[in-house]
Amino acid sequence: DVKVTQSSRYLVKRTGEKVFLECVQDMDHENMFWYRQDPGLGLRLIYFSYDVKMKEKGDIPEGYSVSREKKERFSLILESASTNQTSMYLCASSRAGGSYNEQFFGPGTRLTVL
Amino acid sequence: DAKTTQPTSMDCAEGRAANLPCNHSTISGNEYVYWYRQIHSQGPQYIIHGLKNNETNEMASLIITEDRKSSTLILPHATLRDTAVYYCIVRVPFIPGNTGKLIFGQGTTLQVKP
Repeated sequence: DVKVTQSSRYLVKRTGEKVFLECVQDMDHENMFWYRQDPGLGLRLIYFSYDVKMKEKGDIPEGYSVSREKKERFSLILESASTNQTSMYLCASSRAGGSYNEQFFGPGTRLTVL
Repeated sequence: DAKTTQPTSMDCAEGRAANLPCNHSTISGNEYVYWYRQIHSQGPQYIIHGLKNNETNEMASLIITEDRKSSTLILPHATLRDTAVYYCIVRVPFIPGNTGKLIFGQGTTLQVKP
């Protein structure tokens, strides 16, 4: 069974803390994505990666960075957490290329920044 | 990517077919129609996709009109576990250099009732 796992389901951090969100996929997928989901705004892409050590900015990269040192792992980093980064964070992965780019999502991490 | 329009909410009786419509009148020739759903507090889940032919898998059927300006997702025998937000997304397949993001609109909240 294909799987995308995220390190935490719920996380509470304080303003100014450095926060690491980890995502691991076991499907040998080339592409990995980080989204955030907020009420009324839908899912918005933060960063994506189509290969190890490759990263591309999405629609809302400000305040975030990412790391992809291994194919199966994609980390999202909040350098200095702020209250407006309180959100649901979703990681996804997909195969590269072709017409079939189903994205598999993890269960999400609900982050609260106090 | 083309814009989609879906009803905000729908009800369906358990055991009956759920027919979820989606309008995508500005769809271009190389754009696919994808359907995802999101059950409360979980990550989105891929359901089905198609280009112009009708498609069926173990979860659902996708009917695309001949002019491709609209489509309908059919859950043949809805259960209480099918209660979720259903998203219709139109986009080109992911290719290197392309963002690859999925643009989730507000979707249709399907409530399956006993």
